[in-house]
Amino acid sequence: DQQVKQNSPSLSVQEGRISILNCDYTNSMFDYFLWYKKYPAEGPTFLISISSIKDKNEDGRFTVFLNKSAKHLSLHIVPSQPGDSAVYFCAASEGGGSQGNLIFGKGTKLSVKP
Amino acid sequence: EAGVAQSPRYKIIEKRQSVAFWCNPISGHATLYWYQQILGQGPKLLIQFQNNGVVDDSQLPKDRFSAERLKGVDSTLKIQPAKLEDSAVYLCASSRETGEGYTFGSGTRLTVV
Repeated sequence: DQQVKQNSPSLSVQEGRISILNCDYTNSMFDYFLWYKKYPAEGPTFLISISSIKDKNEDGRFTVFLNKSAKHLSLHIVPSQPGDSAVYFCAASEGGGSQGNLIFGKGTKLSVKP
Repeated sequence: EAGVAQSPRYKIIEKRQSVAFWCNPISGHATLYWYQQILGQGPKLLIQFQNNGVVDDSQLPKDRFSAERLKGVDSTLKIQPAKLEDSAVYLCASSRETGEGYTFGSGTRLTVV
């Protein structure tokens, strides 16, 4: 049973436009959510996170939105750049931070076309 | 700051053979994790260490997988004997006591034939 779901295996966006990556979760005990970015042959790299006490967190071109009632979060990238092309993983944990077991989704492959 | 180092990068073995992976976390990171990422899936936690003690190994197949973190620094993950379904990328990550997110290594890609 998948606790973290990324239902879109892939997404293609034109350079300069907005990329929206979605993630749903089922475990109401999750209170910390993260997005990781992964290039081929490299490990995932931390991108942005959000605590369940917030509904939005912004860092430059990246914004994560959390809708607790819908158990849904999304990552917005504006404007999208070709260098953003990668696999994006949504992850969640209980216990308020990075100390816990992270549960990952299957990932969404983003392609940003010039 | 040096990243999380893992070796080897790639390994091909036959089923029923044994294999070991090595991880050197970021200096000062007390917590170390081993994740398994099967192709098309997200990473799945195998084991978590806090210094040299095991915090969570509930998803480690203990009949064939073992891990240790001597002296609370480097760690090794061993598979003996390997099965075809163990083919995956094995990721090591570390984190501080406080702070956001893990830092992952580049992983070891294991192919069992």
